[in-house]
Amino acid sequence: ETGVTQTPRHLVMGMTNKKSLKCEQHLGHNAMYWYKQSAKKPLELMFVYSLEERVENNSVPSRFSPECPNSSHLFLHLHTLQPEDSALYLCASSQGHRVGYGYTFGSGTRLTVV
Amino acid sequence: DQQVKQNSPSLSVQEGRISILNCDYTNSMFDYFLWYKKYPAEGPTFLISISSIKDKNEDGRFTVFLNKSAKHLSLHIVPSQPGDSAVYFCAASERQGGSEKLVFGKGMKLTVNP
Repeated sequence: ETGVTQTPRHLVMGMTNKKSLKCEQHLGHNAMYWYKQSAKKPLELMFVYSLEERVENNSVPSRFSPECPNSSHLFLHLHTLQPEDSALYLCASSQGHRVGYGYTFGSGTRLTVV
Repeated sequence: DQQVKQNSPSLSVQEGRISILNCDYTNSMFDYFLWYKKYPAEGPTFLISISSIKDKNEDGRFTVFLNKSAKHLSLHIVPSQPGDSAVYFCAASERQGGSEKLVFGKGMKLTVNP
């Protein structure tokens, strides 16, 4: 148990489907993140939420839509995805003022778009 | 352009010997550097970090060295154990508002042979 829980662990969806990824943290952290990990690429930051406000959106296509209803929960809503969006999607959390302690990651959702 | 680079995709060492993982960065404003370890089907887990004002940090078998003038850091694992076999990510940290932004390298796969 890492303290950051992601569901589902695996997801296969068609290009016309709508699905959501869920992330929940039980660490009392005040910042949450979505990262994308594609094969042979660095972890790519997608979105940052600090105190439930989105503070960063790294030019992510609008077919990815984040939602942070409270400091413990983060969602990534997916619609009309492309096959190249297939990747491991990682959620992380941190205590924003504690620089240098890094993030606590969830186990990720392995997404396959067919 | 990548701000954090891990130029070697893989490393193989014998059990009991030293593993040296290297990382280079380009942004002199990074204030912390971190190493993460990732097993298959799991999220990355925090291993060790170093502040930009230090040149060495040690934690058991793991030591991180920072050379600011060369914008280079390395992770030493000694003695290496088969359980250390994983993908290792180098990351650099900078403060952005109320959150800590981590920039990751591509990762390097370490294999420790019994």
